[in-house]
Amino acid sequence: GAVVSQHPSWVICKSGTSVKIECRSLDFQATTMFWYRQFPKQSLMLMATSNEGSKATYEQGVEKDKFLINHASLTLSTLTVTSAHPEDSSFYICSAKQRDKSSYNSPLHFGNGTRLTVT
Amino acid sequence: KQEVTQIPAALSVPEGENLVLNCSFTDSAIYNLQWFRQDPGKGLTSLLLIQSSQREQTSGRLNASLDKSSGRSTLYIAASQPGDSATYLCAVLSNAGNMLTFGGGTRLMVKP
Repeated sequence: GAVVSQHPSWVICKSGTSVKIECRSLDFQATTMFWYRQFPKQSLMLMATSNEGSKATYEQGVEKDKFLINHASLTLSTLTVTSAHPEDSSFYICSAKQRDKSSYNSPLHFGNGTRLTVT
Repeated sequence: KQEVTQIPAALSVPEGENLVLNCSFTDSAIYNLQWFRQDPGKGLTSLLLIQSSQREQTSGRLNASLDKSSGRSTLYIAASQPGDSATYLCAVLSNAGNMLTFGGGTRLMVKP
């Protein structure tokens, strides 16, 4: 089945540094990838939608200069948290839409998430 | 703006019980509704996907129904097991913008 690999699974960084999270579709091509953030005991909130070869679309309230998204290939999207602060500590999850699959009847495939802790 | 609500927020049941998790959404213009399972600190596992034209889907001990006109879905778990303990999330894919909106989840604990 379709597998999405997210790396790293957890990361601890110091305030002010940048962290890059990778999301790879291992056995399928993903034209669209989504990035979500989840705070403890809360549901997932969509941060941005990235389409291969074009700029990401950010949800309201998400700073595009702080959360840099690159979707340079059909199998890889990256999220870089720049100048991280403790309030950025969260669980980040990506999902991928399989190329040539309709959103209507095909589930999105999710990575296992990245736990970011900013000290 | 689509809003998804899940009730109850938490549920604790003894092993073997049949249970129902509820999900409601405000905008019926959806492509589909999905139920996911999330174990602590882990990603999401897709359980069932119901297209907007469908009424229900079944997989093993799980059955999900969809009443689009009333904006409701239920996930029925038969003969619950301790291994079913997890957070269950429903999410709707809206017609506009391909946006997946999640409910707050139901944290299920099945006690042996």
